[in-house]
Amino acid sequence: DIQLTQSPSSLSASVGDTVTITCRTSQSINIYLNWYQQRPGKAPKRLIYVASSLEGGVPARFRGSGSGTDFTLTIHSLQPEDFATYYCQQGYRSPLTFGPGTKVEIK
Amino acid sequence: QVQLVQSGGGVVQPGRSLRLSCEVSGFTFGSYVMHWVRQAPGKGLEWVALIWHDGSVTYSADSVKGRFTISRDNSKNMLYLQMNSLRADDTALYYCAREERTLGYYDTSTGSNSFYFYGMDVWGQGTTVIVSS
Repeated sequence: DIQLTQSPSSLSASVGDTVTITCRTSQSINIYLNWYQQRPGKAPKRLIYVASSLEGGVPARFRGSGSGTDFTLTIHSLQPEDFATYYCQQGYRSPLTFGPGTKVEIK
Repeated sequence: QVQLVQSGGGVVQPGRSLRLSCEVSGFTFGSYVMHWVRQAPGKGLEWVALIWHDGSVTYSADSVKGRFTISRDNSKNMLYLQMNSLRADDTALYYCAREERTLGYYDTSTGSNSFYFYGMDVWGQGTTVIVSS
């Protein structure tokens, strides 16, 4: 199975900051990496698919990049509604797997 | 509008069974791969199972293999998860989700056709399963 690690596991940031979350996979997955946001008590929401494609309706301050085994999610000019937990997920091979999550908290 | 409405959760004793349902509307259900994903209390997301557009292919996580069965009825726009031999560690919030797109390719390492997955673009509201005596 393909394992995913995320760093950091949590971070504190202020409104207006830029934050970067890293996802690393245990083997190369080309670009088949997706990012989700989950707010408390809500279902996950896809933000980015195939590493860098922005989901429709998602603000352009969310940017994904990477390929192979190393991927990043960058959030520019953090907004109050962005405080949530972020998960990466590989779509390269079954079993599909998620990263452990990164919780973005308000400083 | 595109919607996944879940039902069927509840409290069940260890070893018993439960069936989750996910009613789909707003899109052509029979054209999409579908997933079940779960989230234990305070924990991260865990993919559980997927089923092909026509139900011909299913995959499941090792943690549920042999106990859980994913199925669908395209004529009724319904997705199901039959959960047997439930254990305490199956306690979770269960989500159904739509796979936005797959891309087929020939895997030379296995000599068979395989697929890439573009991610889950529509999610149900979640239904809670608690396994407890």
